[in-house]
Amino acid sequence: EDQVTQSPEALRLQEGESSSLNCSYTVSGLRGLFWYRQDPGKGPEFLFTLYSAGEEKEKERLKATLTKKESFLHITAPKPEDSATYLCAFDNNAGNMLTFGGGTRLMVKP
Amino acid sequence: NAGVMQNPRHLVRRRGQEARLRCSPMKGHSHVYWYRQLPEEGLKFMVYLQKENIIDESGMPKERFSAEFPKEGPSILRIQQVVRGDSAAYFCASSSTGLNTEAFFGQGTRLTVV
Repeated sequence: EDQVTQSPEALRLQEGESSSLNCSYTVSGLRGLFWYRQDPGKGPEFLFTLYSAGEEKEKERLKATLTKKESFLHITAPKPEDSATYLCAFDNNAGNMLTFGGGTRLMVKP
Repeated sequence: NAGVMQNPRHLVRRRGQEARLRCSPMKGHSHVYWYRQLPEEGLKFMVYLQKENIIDESGMPKERFSAEFPKEGPSILRIQQVVRGDSAAYFCASSSTGLNTEAFFGQGTRLTVV
């Protein structure tokens, strides 16, 4: 069964303390791996799409990478405004939807 | 270019009433997806529509829930005879290609059933 698991569930960092969020997936026919950011009371905000192992994408302090089994969201020198829940999701050949992981709630303390 | 617009943002219904949630996709987008986020749970797919067609409703509960995306106007998610378990945030997303590439989400409608 296709599934995606995110870890850790919650992560507390000090401002400037770099870290990585993990998204492990088991998907047949992966079409794309997506990262979204969700703030409390808001809808998910699109960050990245990765399509093949070895691909990397960057945006400000965030970098997303993809292997055949995992995706990582690396956060370099985070700031308090990076605090949010980060969601990963996959799109496969079998369906017409995104399947989301449970998310990682990131809290960055000043 | 306005984003995906959902209304109302908050909706309170008594048990047994009907709830109607509206979603206007981004300009130029003809593919609409509805997702539900229950408290302390992840986003779950409900239904995928194109103009006047339901493409995939595999995530929709079999009873009380229906969705449409008419030729003119917004997409509507309708929940009849709401129960407390329907309380959740309902999100709509739209894309231009239907391949989930860069699907953009609205701010959601938070339904509370009392």
